[in-house]
Amino acid sequence: AQSVTQPDIHITVSEGASLELRCNYSYGATPYLFWYVQSPGQGLQLLLKYFSGDTLVQGIKGFEAEFKRSQSSFNLRKPSVHWSDAAEYFCAVGVSRRGSYIPTFGRGTSLIVHP
Amino acid sequence: DAGVIQSPRHEVTEMGQEVTLRCKPISGHNSLFWYRQTMMRGLELLIYFNNNVPIDDSGMPEDRFSAKMPNASFSTLKIQPSEPRDSAVYFCASSLQGPQPQHFGDGTRLSIL
Repeated sequence: AQSVTQPDIHITVSEGASLELRCNYSYGATPYLFWYVQSPGQGLQLLLKYFSGDTLVQGIKGFEAEFKRSQSSFNLRKPSVHWSDAAEYFCAVGVSRRGSYIPTFGRGTSLIVHP
Repeated sequence: DAGVIQSPRHEVTEMGQEVTLRCKPISGHNSLFWYRQTMMRGLELLIYFNNNVPIDDSGMPEDRFSAKMPNASFSTLKIQPSEPRDSAVYFCASSLQGPQPQHFGDGTRLSIL
């Protein structure tokens, strides 16, 4: 069965510092991969997605992620973090099931940004 | 464009009462999902629909939970009778069919006293 692991429950960075959030997945076929962000009191918003092609994908808000098949990873990066980036981040792998693609979500990583 | 609309945003009720959560998906989306989010369990998929038809309800925790999608623009999640352990944030999401990202509503924060 597919699974997604986000090994870091919390990450604290200083504003302006670089960021990398880790995500590892387990899935037998070519995965469809997503990163979502959730701000307090809101639903999840798509940051970026990987379906195929270039393994480095660009997303909104200056985020990017790199798919590494050999490491079963899809880590999220940002070169310079802003205070408004403080939120919960979820990695997900989309799995084909009964004609639909159902995402399996990781448990999330909470990003704390210090001024 | 209007996103996924959920109502109510907050619901506080006493245990034993019936609770109905509502969702309007994005127009043109033909897949709809209901999730529950708690600190203990994270984000759990409860049920999903394709073209208004329930496809997989294996995530529905008990028979007290039911969901319907009478048409392409409306879905409900009902809990009857409600219990304190049902307290959570419930999200509705919609998407185009296929390997497409989901669009989430802002959720309903449910508190059962």
